Amino acid sequence: DAMVIQNPRYQVTQFGKPVTLSCSQTLNHNVMYWYQQKSSQAPKLLFHYYDKDFNNEADTPDNFQSRRPNTSFCFLDIRSPGLGDAAMYLCATSRANLVALSSYNEQFFGPGTRLTVL
Amino acid sequence: GNSVTQMEGPVTLSEEAFLTINCTYTATGYPSLFWYVQYPGEGLQLLLKATKADDKGSNKGFEATYRKETTSFHLEKGSVQVSDSAVYFCALSPIMIKAAGNKLTFGGGTRVLVKP
Repeated sequence: DAMVIQNPRYQVTQFGKPVTLSCSQTLNHNVMYWYQQKSSQAPKLLFHYYDKDFNNEADTPDNFQSRRPNTSFCFLDIRSPGLGDAAMYLCATSRANLVALSSYNEQFFGPGTRLTVL
Repeated sequence: GNSVTQMEGPVTLSEEAFLTINCTYTATGYPSLFWYVQYPGEGLQLLLKATKADDKGSNKGFEATYRKETTSFHLEKGSVQVSDSAVYFCALSPIMIKAAGNKLTFGGGTRVLVKP
């Protein structure tokens, strides 16, 4: 089945120790998103890639970076995790179609990675 | 800007009860509307969607109708099960004018607990 995969599902890191979360997709979607979600709050968009174009949200801290080496993979790097960065990180994908603009593009979410910062 | 307001939880119900979760939105034009469900420890799953006024989205016994006149998209289910216990998020996506990534605007989420 086509899907969005996140690894690992649970990640523990130490305060200040860089950590990388991984997302891959078999949907061949051209847009990939990273969200942060705390304590069943609404997900908060950090940034997204439209193809290779990186789009950062204005309030995303500099501590958060992302890489998209190819269509299938996208990484979230947290350079110096603080206790406040403990959260669920969700990856999502969507297809943006140049030929036939749709009134929406549905986002497909991965299962998330729960990050603990000690 | 766009915003979504949904009723706060938790909502506690008995099995086979009727469920309604209210959702209203503020947006320009005709956004697309979604309900996502999040089961404990999991990511979000799309439950249903509607893309234009008076559309009814439905899935797994859940329904929601896009009401432009009241800017609402209330979620309903006639008979809930224990397995429906989850957090439900209402969300909107603005109408696309060019191919690009879209920013979903989420409501705050409503936790639903169904007891046997």
